[in-house]
Amino acid sequence: AQSVSQHNHHVILSEAASLELGCNYSYGGTVNLFWYVQYPGQHLQLLLKYFSGDPLVKGIKGFEAEFIKSKFSFNLRKPSVQWSDTAEYFCAVRSNYQLIWGAGTKLIIKP
Amino acid sequence: SQTIHQWPATLVQPVGSPLSLECTVEGTSNPNLYWYRQAAGRGLQLLFYSIGIDQISSEVPQNLSASRPQDRQFILSSKKLLLSDSGFYLCAWSAPEVYGYTFGSGTRLTVV
Repeated sequence: AQSVSQHNHHVILSEAASLELGCNYSYGGTVNLFWYVQYPGQHLQLLLKYFSGDPLVKGIKGFEAEFIKSKFSFNLRKPSVQWSDTAEYFCAVRSNYQLIWGAGTKLIIKP
Repeated sequence: SQTIHQWPATLVQPVGSPLSLECTVEGTSNPNLYWYRQAAGRGLQLLFYSIGIDQISSEVPQNLSASRPQDRQFILSSKKLLLSDSGFYLCAWSAPEVYGYTFGSGTRLTVV
């Protein structure tokens, strides 16, 4: 069965620190990859997505992710986080009509 | 523009009572529709998806059911709620052949 693993359930960083959230998936075929963010009390929002082409994907709010096919990974990065980045981040992989979700990573930014 | 509506926002129901959560999409036709449950610390779990009227696929065996009586309406139901049904339920839609998903605002269900 396909699965998506997010390595860290909780990450605590200081403002201006660099961020990398890990995401690995098990599906071996063609994949579409997503990162979603859920700010406290708000809806899930799409941060970025990868379908094909350049494996380095730019998203909103300064986030980017790199698709490394050989490692089955799609890690999320941001060079300098802000307090407003405090949220829960979800990685997801599309297979047929379904999104397979990771368990999420809670990111807390200390002001 | 397309919008998705989900209600109610919160619901407290006794064990054994029925459930009906409704989701409607506006501004598009023939959307793919989804019901997810979000449990604390466990991410999102796909419950049902639908690619058309009366075409429902169930991903997780449970006492919940889904129906799609109209193209843009997706209903999550239960005849008898269990305590374990408590959680945050999200409806979502995507356009066929387009791989983005838009989520509703969710329903917090507490079974007591």
